[in-house]
Amino acid sequence: QQPVQSPQAVILREGEDAVINCSSSKALYSVHWYRQKHGEAPVFLMILLKGGEQKGHEKISASFNEKKQQSSLYLTASQLSYSGTYFCGTYQGGSEKLVFGKGTKLTVNP
Amino acid sequence: GAGVSQTPSNKVTEKGKYVELRCDPISGHTALYWYRQSLGQGPEFLIYFQGTGAADDSGLPNDRFFAVRPEGSVSTLKIQRTERGDSAVYLCASSSSGGSTGELFFGEGSRLTVL
Repeated sequence: QQPVQSPQAVILREGEDAVINCSSSKALYSVHWYRQKHGEAPVFLMILLKGGEQKGHEKISASFNEKKQQSSLYLTASQLSYSGTYFCGTYQGGSEKLVFGKGTKLTVNP
Repeated sequence: GAGVSQTPSNKVTEKGKYVELRCDPISGHTALYWYRQSLGQGPEFLIYFQGTGAADDSGLPNDRFFAVRPEGSVSTLKIQRTERGDSAVYLCASSSSGGSTGELFFGEGSRLTVL
């Protein structure tokens, strides 16, 4: 089951904050966040595991509500380099299949 | 060290032809994934290998698609009788463990265009 991301797109000015949401109708084992710039490979940002463990880059923060099967990615004091498409990926228990959402396109303008 | 390497980076073929796409994962990574990405969409799961075996091939769209990883390292995605709808970027990713708890390292992808 593909997770649902919102919003589909967001435009910011440098220094502004943004929140990207990811939700699933299925119980989740973990949530993963990746960023992809145009024409490039997706790059890992963060993993949030059931039970509260997180692995990722220090400047990125995210939350995982296990009961609601939802995750949010928090981008604060955005920089031009944050521009790209953000994908959440979810694992359901018992499977090694990482299923990605359709993505949220973030544009940060000067 | 080197990242995930995919070849060719671009492939243009005619409808009905056979295509092979190669993925060379990061050395020592036992988990390998193939994804397909169409324009404006997220990566779509195709198949997952743990070592030499396909642990999950539920994403392969039909029997024209097949993937192998005979020695637990390099993998080849094979597409028979290509159709225009197969046009997409095919991404390969590897992980040192199962991806559920670890980072996936993606290659730059192979862009397939079926005319």
